[in-house]
Amino acid sequence: GQNIDQPTEMTATEGAIVQINCTYQTSGFNGLFWYQQHAGEAPTFLSYNVLDGLEEKGRFSSFLSRSKGYSYLLLKELQMKDSASYLCAVEDSNYQLIWGAGTKLIIKP
Amino acid sequence: ETGVTQTPRHLVMGMTNKKSLKCEQHLGHNAMYWYKQSAKKPLELMFVYSLEERVENNSVPSRFSPECPNSSHLFLHLHTLQPEDSALYLCASSRQTGQGGNEQFFGPGTRLTVL
Repeated sequence: GQNIDQPTEMTATEGAIVQINCTYQTSGFNGLFWYQQHAGEAPTFLSYNVLDGLEEKGRFSSFLSRSKGYSYLLLKELQMKDSASYLCAVEDSNYQLIWGAGTKLIIKP
Repeated sequence: ETGVTQTPRHLVMGMTNKKSLKCEQHLGHNAMYWYKQSAKKPLELMFVYSLEERVENNSVPSRFSPECPNSSHLFLHLHTLQPEDSALYLCASSRQTGQGGNEQFFGPGTRLTVL
């Protein structure tokens, strides 16, 4: 079957660094997405990885290891506005997205 | 307007009512999606339309009926819903290129409550 796992909730301190992990088992792989979703709002695109390695984009970085079925999203210099849910999604062989349940990130002052 | 819009933003309906959700995208995309989002559950893909043709229907109950009259508009017609259908319904669009990495753009969603 298809399965995407990520922690349900994480807490971090303003100014710190946090890593949100995602492991997956899917039928086919055409890339992995990370989305951010603030409460009551639409998910918005953060990153896309299709090759192994680290992609850096400002304070956010995303890592992929296809052989391990593993990805993480790294958030640096955390700000209060980073409090949100972070959704991991794998693009399968039909180019459809299989979603994880999301990780709720709580930032404390 | 830009991006993906959805109406209404909130909807309360009884189990015997008939209502429709509307989605419109202003991005020139050729694929549109309906998702159901329930608390602490993964996004569930309900329907996909590519070039106005339905390409996937993930065993969604027949009380949900999609309609895609053109590449910019998508509807979800609702009838005789159950309380467990209460959820956030999200519309998304993307440009399907036949390759991976097609970012989906989401609308703000319709919060549906079935009494």
